[in-house]
Amino acid sequence: EVQLVESGGGLVQPGGSLRLSCTASGFTFSYYWMHWVRQAPGKGLVWVSRIRTDGSMTNYADSVKGRFTISRDNAKNTLQLQMNSLRAEDTALYYCVKEGAYADFDYWGQGTLVTVSS
Amino acid sequence: QSALTQPPSASGSPGQSVTISCTGTSSDVGGYNYVSWYQQHPGKAPKLMIYDVNKRPSGVPDRFSGSKSGNTASLTVSGLQADDEADYYCCSYAGSNSRPYVFGTGTKVTVL
Repeated sequence: EVQLVESGGGLVQPGGSLRLSCTASGFTFSYYWMHWVRQAPGKGLVWVSRIRTDGSMTNYADSVKGRFTISRDNAKNTLQLQMNSLRAEDTALYYCVKEGAYADFDYWGQGTLVTVSS
Repeated sequence: QSALTQPPSASGSPGQSVTISCTGTSSDVGGYNYVSWYQQHPGKAPKLMIYDVNKRPSGVPDRFSGSKSGNTASLTVSGLQADDEADYYCCSYAGSNSRPYVFGTGTKVTVL
């Protein structure tokens, strides 16, 4: 059974940093691109970032480029998102997502909540 | 970065059908056959319902179907059931490195 378990969310002040983690199990982690997708309270889904299977390529939404860094450890089956210079508009539930074979998102974690507020 | 356009709400009685549209551009929906649909119940993570425009993952009832014409994709839920009441989001591959994926604005489906 595929499982994605996020951790690391919490309350942080504007300008602060947070590091999210996602532990994957039930599939060969190193074979798949992985993503972060976020959802602000009461709002829709927004793609945030992705990373290639071997970590050699990363992409970011314009809204987080230069502030967020995605990484992965295939030996430990973990995905990370380092979030710096956080803003109020980064407040959201952050989902760790596995990419499927057809440019889809076939498995989602339960999400970890990030709240940016003073 | 514009989201794909979906109607805010749709509704139908049990047993009826409801169709949700998802309108993009030639750079996303119209340019690729990589449209997917997600169901999200309150407080839950999204669930993949349709991928590759019209394919269903294992375990998704055949009451759910997808299609695409030009820059607009559609999700049809036939034989509405109470558990189909949820938010639905479309998503399209968009190709660029700064915007490889774009989600729709979301549609709340209500079973009357």
